[in-house]
Amino acid sequence: DMKVTQMPRYLIKRMGENVLLECGQDMSHETMYWYRQDPGLGLQLIYISYDVDSNSEGDIPKGYRVSRKKREHFSLILDSAKTNQTSVYFCASSLLGEVFFGKGTRLTVV
Amino acid sequence: TQTVSQSDAHVTVFEGDSVELRCNYSYGGSIYLSWYIQHHGRGLQFLLKYYSGNPVVQGVNGFEAEFSKSDSSFHLRKASVHWSDSAVYFCAASLMPNYNVLYFGSGTKLTVEP
Repeated sequence: DMKVTQMPRYLIKRMGENVLLECGQDMSHETMYWYRQDPGLGLQLIYISYDVDSNSEGDIPKGYRVSRKKREHFSLILDSAKTNQTSVYFCASSLLGEVFFGKGTRLTVV
Repeated sequence: TQTVSQSDAHVTVFEGDSVELRCNYSYGGSIYLSWYIQHHGRGLQFLLKYYSGNPVVQGVNGFEAEFSKSDSSFHLRKASVHWSDSAVYFCAASLMPNYNVLYFGSGTKLTVEP
C-alpha cells in the first residue's frame, strides 16, 4: 500500500522554538516536497527534493530548511518558529507526475 | 512564470446534477495538467492528468477533464455527482520537462446537497 506518512499530525509550539516535521514514504520515490496550505491560498511549495542531499527552494523557502539523508525520509525544520508559520504542512512524493500526499501536520505557533 | 487560476471558490449543486469546475492556465509552452481532490481534514488525492493525446481524460469516480489549448483551460466535469463528491478540488500545472514541480490553483470547494 503506497503511503506518505507525516509525524506529528498536530503540533503546538511557542514563538522562537525549533520545530521538526518528519515525513516518510514507502515507494522509493526520488522526488519529495513540502507544501504549506493556508485558507484561500491553495498549496505553496516550500522545498522540493530530487533525491538524497539534492534539495531546491520552492516559492516560499524563507524561514524553513530541509534535510534529506535517506531517500524515504524528508524533514522540514523551522528554526525559531514565528506566528505566521501557523499553517497546515503537507509532505508529498511523486512518480511520473502523480503526486502522493501525506495527511498533513497542523502546526500552531503561539 | 506559469499560473493556474480557478475562478470559482465555491460551487454548490444537488445530488445527481452535473458539474464543471473550471481551471485556466497561463503558459505558452508544453504544460502538464492534473486535478486533485481534498476531503476535509485530509491530504490531496490524485484524480487525473493530461500531457498529450486525447484532450479528454478520464479519472477516478466518474470524473473527466478536457484540455483546450485555445482556451488555455483544463476543466473538470462529472455527469452526476454524489454527496461524497463534496470536497475541495485543486487544479495543478507544471512545466515540461520538469513535470515534478507542480503549481496549484487556489481550489474550488464543491458542495453537493441532497
